[in-house]
Amino acid sequence: DAGVTQSPTHLIKTRGQHVTLRCSPISGHKSVSWYQQVLGQGPQFIFQYYEKEERGRGNFPDRFSARQFPNYSSELNVNALLLGDSALYLCASSPGASYGYTFGSGTRLTVV
Amino acid sequence: GIQVEQSPPDLILQEGANSTLRCNFSDSVNNLQWFHQNPWGQLINLFYIPSGTKQNGRLSATTVATERYSLLYISSSQTTDSGVYFCAVGERLTFGEGTQLTVNP
Repeated sequence: DAGVTQSPTHLIKTRGQHVTLRCSPISGHKSVSWYQQVLGQGPQFIFQYYEKEERGRGNFPDRFSARQFPNYSSELNVNALLLGDSALYLCASSPGASYGYTFGSGTRLTVV
Repeated sequence: GIQVEQSPPDLILQEGANSTLRCNFSDSVNNLQWFHQNPWGQLINLFYIPSGTKQNGRLSATTVATERYSLLYISSSQTTDSGVYFCAVGERLTFGEGTQLTVNP
């Protein structure tokens, strides 16, 4: 079985632009979460979706949004990119509560 | 929110040595995981261990939920064990700052 897949793997954007990151969870996993990891720090929680509904949101501005589709894949959108948005964006999936999370390889976003 | 502290922040070992990494957390949790992040950024799930003890080869982990800490043991370390080890707790995974492990040949 395929693991959690993310696309693209790398991305370079200009300040002020918009970006969409994509995630496909492990088959059968209904929960998808997004994390931002800046260099030298642990990942920070951005969003959690379960059964297409938002279940949680971290301390991120409204420029960040996400959604989950009927096939449980997910998109993370970031508007009006800032230099500080440069980071590794990680997606994780889980079957549900009381189960561990499996992470994808991430999308490395560079904003110039 | 919940606080997660990991120690030590950095650890340098010779190949073959054993080590213990610690994770303290500030509130009761129903989820705790240990991850290894390789140099390419991939987070590898080592253990899902909200309580009790688990072993997987040279790695083992123990979580004492009532005392709010978890330990990760690495025995007979290898150079491929190098990287950052993260503890993460809670349904929305609050991560610690990690332990940077370097294993020298």
